Amino acid sequence: DTAVSQTPKYLVTQMGNDKSIKCEQNLGHDTMYWYKQDSKKFLKIMFSYNNKELIINETVPNRFSPKSPDKAHLNLHINSLELGDSAVYFCASSQGRASGRALYEQYFGPGTRLTVT
Amino acid sequence: GENVEQHPSTLSVQEGDSAVIKCTYSDSASNYFPWYKQELGKRPQLIIDIRSNVGEKKDQRIAVTLNKTAKHFSLHITETQPEDSAVYFCAASSISGGYNKLIFGAGTRLAVHP
Repeated sequence: DTAVSQTPKYLVTQMGNDKSIKCEQNLGHDTMYWYKQDSKKFLKIMFSYNNKELIINETVPNRFSPKSPDKAHLNLHINSLELGDSAVYFCASSQGRASGRALYEQYFGPGTRLTVT
Repeated sequence: GENVEQHPSTLSVQEGDSAVIKCTYSDSASNYFPWYKQELGKRPQLIIDIRSNVGEKKDQRIAVTLNKTAKHFSLHITETQPEDSAVYFCAASSISGGYNKLIFGAGTRLAVHP
């Protein structure tokens, strides 16, 4: 019955590898997000999708590629992992289209702790 | 670019005291200001939010105030309890390419001592 879920919870991998993180929400929300939380706890948005359409794409290296097969799922694929990619990655979702008018409450998943060695 | 500054970075109080965390935002178009609580190893959880048409909002021991003119907003926790110990994040909405996104402050680590 978890509202926003992510897999895996922990991911340890070596530099240069490619990995994916998956997110699913069962809240019926239209908009999903990926955030990166670094070692200093700073939370920064990376991407946002609304109903499978990419609407926010921050200045993130193009080694990061999000994909949304449907509005309940948002995945993040990372190519050629680097040490600096080590962080906790949070998925979040919110109701409604954040189209410059109402911005609705965002609910976060449990996070995926990525460690690149 | 858009920015949210949060102070203090750490706050230590005795149980029963009040705690106040302050944030300043740069984007005058911001109209939504949520506060999140993150316990160690857990996800950020929304605890209260305020929209720009309201100056103050209260929910039990938690209150948030907004001063749009000064671009300040604050979180007030009264009668603090040890379980209030966590990292608290403020955020402000900002429009990017026609869509709203949240810009987070750097967080305040609150420690409530019994």
